[in-house]
Amino acid sequence: IAGITQAPTSQILAAGRRMTLRCTQDMRHNAMYWYRQDLGLGLRLIHYSNTAGTTGKGEVPDGYSVSRANTDDFPLTLASAVPSQTSVYFCASSGSHEATDTQYFGPGTRLTVL
Amino acid sequence: GQNIDQPTEMTATEGAIVQINCTYQTSGFNGLFWYQQHAGEAPTFLSYNVLDGLEEKGRFSSFLSRSKGYSYLLLKELQMKDSASYLCAVRDSNYQLIWGAGTKLIIKP
Repeated sequence: IAGITQAPTSQILAAGRRMTLRCTQDMRHNAMYWYRQDLGLGLRLIHYSNTAGTTGKGEVPDGYSVSRANTDDFPLTLASAVPSQTSVYFCASSGSHEATDTQYFGPGTRLTVL
Repeated sequence: GQNIDQPTEMTATEGAIVQINCTYQTSGFNGLFWYQQHAGEAPTFLSYNVLDGLEEKGRFSSFLSRSKGYSYLLLKELQMKDSASYLCAVRDSNYQLIWGAGTKLIIKP
């Protein structure tokens, strides 16, 4: 593994189903983030984690949950998917949350909720 | 509220120079980032400004004026591979990145 990986690459999901998007990084970064990207809008932060064991809410957290059991993994769960959650989801990481560190992005997961 | 404004789309000619502007209104300022995003791919880091002035990195330069809430990304000697979206993002007082919607740059031969 080099950098950040996300799985699946794409998914079509029926409304009401539960879905977990996976994110793994091997850079030993402390901070990790989940964004969604929708056409015509900027990246919007869903949840973040400054370090293993801690998480925080971003701009659009409703309908999503995260956990950070270890440094490398930061899964994003949709408990009961709705069509408005159709989007491209990017996971990112940085050395720390408060420093000037650059955020590095995974390849993204394209999710369609029908 | 917090706001980042960029032009939606710009067109330029191969070999020319293009300037992509970004204006921002945020709660606090802890740096401004420019990212490049090719269609269907992840954003990749281009530049970071925290002090006023110009930062040059090869064919790309980025300028910041904190008093005006303004930045621009300057791309010189444009190549076809520069066709992409360019995202401006500001780190606010909570150290969260606030993102603009991006500027789609189309390069014509």
